Amino acid sequence: GAGVSQSPSNKVTEKGKDVELRCDPISGHTALYWYRQRLGQGLEFLIYFQGNSAPDKSGLPSDRFSAERTGESVSTLTIQRTQQEDSAVYLCASSPEPRLERRFGAGTRLSVL
Amino acid sequence: DAKTTQPPSMDCAEGRAANLPCNHSTISGNEYVYWYRQIHSQGPQYIIHGLKNNETNEMASLIITEDRKSSTLILPHATLRDTAVYYCIVRVASGNTPLVFGKGTRLSVIA
Repeated sequence: GAGVSQSPSNKVTEKGKDVELRCDPISGHTALYWYRQRLGQGLEFLIYFQGNSAPDKSGLPSDRFSAERTGESVSTLTIQRTQQEDSAVYLCASSPEPRLERRFGAGTRLSVL
Repeated sequence: DAKTTQPPSMDCAEGRAANLPCNHSTISGNEYVYWYRQIHSQGPQYIIHGLKNNETNEMASLIITEDRKSSTLILPHATLRDTAVYYCIVRVASGNTPLVFGKGTRLSVIA
């Protein structure tokens, strides 16, 4: 597709359940980023992938959060044992290389009941 | 930890120029100024970036002061669709430093 695609667009889950969020970056983009945005707040950096290098996980808030990326394609963000505080929009972005501007997806709105 | 300071909100009349200020007094010599915006319920959208020279593209103009400690994003003829939160970010253009978004400026374009 022409842009960054994220799925699902909305996810409602019960506290304690695991969720998996998916990001399809723009083809050829080597850099991929995950961000979290709570209601009315700015973006929080979570994790960054660049090619085959080890990911920068410095923004992950706890060990319940993990992410994987297969080569330079799809990435999944997994949240285990979800808590109500995890409710937010999770945004994925990609860029051809780190120094260039990022293209964002529309996000996944996660609601933990 | 955002390195920029922006007013929390601004209003602008439709058709007029919107001038959004940003202070970045601790900017380093190799850091660029980037602007993004986020329209309600959408992901952030890249607008423009610059190092020290003024820049212009189809969306906006970026004016950076000579000492690089502040900048202004100019939307020359604001429309209702420009209502969004505008983020000013400073970062090096190379390497893997992530974008650090602050609270931004909520611009309301009024008919």
